[in-house]
Amino acid sequence: DIQMTQSPSMLSASVGDRVTITCRASQYVSGWLAWYQQKPGKAPKLLIYKGSVLEGGVPSRFSGSASGTEFTLTISSLQPDDYATYYCQHYNVYPWAFGEGTKVEIK
Amino acid sequence: QVQLMESGGGVVQPGRSLRLSCGASGFIFSNYGMHWVRQAPGKGLEWVAVISYDGTNEYYADSVRGRFTISRDNSKNTLYLQMNTLTVEDTAVYSCAKDYHFYGSSGLLQYWGQGTLVTVSS
Repeated sequence: DIQMTQSPSMLSASVGDRVTITCRASQYVSGWLAWYQQKPGKAPKLLIYKGSVLEGGVPSRFSGSASGTEFTLTISSLQPDDYATYYCQHYNVYPWAFGEGTKVEIK
Repeated sequence: QVQLMESGGGVVQPGRSLRLSCGASGFIFSNYGMHWVRQAPGKGLEWVAVISYDGTNEYYADSVRGRFTISRDNSKNTLYLQMNTLTVEDTAVYSCAKDYHFYGSSGLLQYWGQGTLVTVSS
C-alpha cells in the first residue's frame, strides 16, 4: 500500500504570509494527488486535484505542484478564512490514503 | 447543490452492530461511485470503503474488511454502511463522499457530508 507523509504537522503563520505544505508518497502516484481543506466541525473541501488543478471556486492564492513523489500545496498570501487543517490524498490505486494533516494556525 | 446527510450514529458496545445511512441530493446519485471515510477523535482521515455507481463492485480498507459492508439503493438515493463486530478502534465520525468522476470510483472525493459520530464503548 502507498503511504503519504505530510509535513509539517502544524504551522503558525500571519495573514499575508506565504505558506507551503509538503506531502511525500511512498511510491510513484502518477500525479493523482488531491488536497483538501477541513475546518473544525465541517466536512473536508476539495481544493486541488491531479496535483495542480484547482477545483472550481477555489481562490487562486492556492496552488499545487509536484516533483516525482513529492507534492506541495502553497497558499501565496494567507487569508483569515484559510486557517484550517489541510490533508493530501493519493488516488492512484486502491487503497487510497491520506496524509496525517497540517494544521495552519494564527501566529 | 449537492447535499450528503449521514445518520445512524450513536453509542454501541464492543462486538455489536450498527448501520449508517447517507441520503444524497443535488446530483444523479446512480451515476457516481460513493465512499465512506472516517475520522477518529483528534485524528486524521481514513478511507473506509467504496461502492461503484451500480453497486456491482465494492472495496474496503484492510482495517474493516470482513466486518463492514457498503451498499446502496439507487431508487432511494441512499448509501449504507453496515458495521459488525465493532471495536473501540472504530470510534470515529463517519462521512460519506461522492466520487468526482461520472460512472467512476476514482478515489477523488468531490463532496463530503458532515458525518455521524459512532462511539464504541462498554
